[in-house]
Amino acid sequence: DAKTTQPPSMDCAEGRAANLPCNHSTISGNEYVYWYRQIHSQGPQYIIHGLKNNETNEMASLIITEDRKSSTLILPHATLRDTAVYYCIVSDFLTGANSKLTFGKGITLSVRP
Amino acid sequence: NAGVTQTPKFQVLKTGQSMTLQCAQDMNHNSMYWYRQDPGMGLRLIYYSASEGTTDKGEVPNGYNVSRLNKREFSLRLESAAPSQTSVYFCASSQGPGSPLHFGNGTRLTVT
Repeated sequence: DAKTTQPPSMDCAEGRAANLPCNHSTISGNEYVYWYRQIHSQGPQYIIHGLKNNETNEMASLIITEDRKSSTLILPHATLRDTAVYYCIVSDFLTGANSKLTFGKGITLSVRP
Repeated sequence: NAGVTQTPKFQVLKTGQSMTLQCAQDMNHNSMYWYRQDPGMGLRLIYYSASEGTTDKGEVPNGYNVSRLNKREFSLRLESAAPSQTSVYFCASSQGPGSPLHFGNGTRLTVT
């Protein structure tokens, strides 16, 4: 799996958009970008994944640059409950070639009132 | 739906004792995984089972064994616990390769 780089922490104000960056400059053509989050020592929770097109679901949006070397997870209206560690993972997991995902240290998002 | 259920939630062992961590999922998923998480670290894969009847080593398999008992259950065994195995253990399942992982809430293990 390609390596990802995330800043260790960031914060944002409640109600504002939270934009979480991730660099993955060595991503290969068949690798997807996945985002998970972990709230207060609970098990990680799947958020979203994408290959090259931007993706949106009820939780978040994923913006992937055209060269695919970086991406941004956007939480459009952050709430206090969004305070968590967010993991950006790059893997060919989806193709079935790789049966596992590797989690790094993630970025700690703190949402302030 | 219960999702992924792990038992026990907490456990304290003495060095050299053995125990089995249990995991069960009710989502009819094919793949199951065991991860450990140490303070300030990401999750590291111990073992996984891509489908019923198969198991494979992950990043940190030493000191552990697993059993895919049936499609629902995937257990992790520590034969002779060591203080280095003090950690939070997470079980996860997915429909198959590429599908989102669903995690349990963890077993917090302390080995003294």
